[in-house]
Amino acid sequence: QVQLQESGPGLVKPSETLSLTCIVSGGSIDSYYWSWIRQPPGQGLEWMGYIYYSGSTNYNPSLKSRVTISTDTSKNQFSLKLTSVTAADTAVYYCARARLDRSGLGNYYPRFEYWGQGTLVTVSS
Amino acid sequence: SYELTQPPSVSVSPGQTARITCYGDALAKQYAYWYQQKPGQAPVLVIYKDRERPSGIPERFSGSSSGTTVTLTISGVQAEDEADYHCQSADSSGTYVVFGGGTKLTVL
Repeated sequence: QVQLQESGPGLVKPSETLSLTCIVSGGSIDSYYWSWIRQPPGQGLEWMGYIYYSGSTNYNPSLKSRVTISTDTSKNQFSLKLTSVTAADTAVYYCARARLDRSGLGNYYPRFEYWGQGTLVTVSS
Repeated sequence: SYELTQPPSVSVSPGQTARITCYGDALAKQYAYWYQQKPGQAPVLVIYKDRERPSGIPERFSGSSSGTTVTLTISGVQAEDEADYHCQSADSSGTYVVFGGGTKLTVL
């Protein structure tokens, strides 16, 4: 059974960089798409981006200038970096594994099958 | 920016049928996905590709699509189905992932 576990600081100061790691167990990271999704307190889900094991990425346009997702295949994990954080970045951060579904029109849609338990990151001085 | 619109809340009595809708201009041409999220837990996929059900998800969960609206239907609602439900699809270009705002299902 695939399991994902987020790790990283629970408190980050404004203007600094938020860094999280997702450790994958029960399966190899050398396949599928690996994503970060966040949820501000009391709000809905926001997709941040995903990376394919080969290194290709796709980021939410609203965060693209601040977010970087990378993989470390030797450690079977992937990471998130979000720069210049503000209080608006306070959220529960989830890592997730996705496979892509191909539609009849030839587009691809991620199916988020496995999720980590989530980790709360608070941005505050 | 592109949005998926869900009702903030839906209430239903046990044993009845709950229907949660998700509207988006581009949904007629795109797949939709549904996730169930209970308090303090990570989301769980309950419907993919509009109407497919992952293994382990009860048959009372079903999905449908009609034009720009997709619907999650829960037949014979049980108390354990009380949760937030989130729809997911893509923006109008089909490039970026978009989630709806979520619907809180209350079982009366």
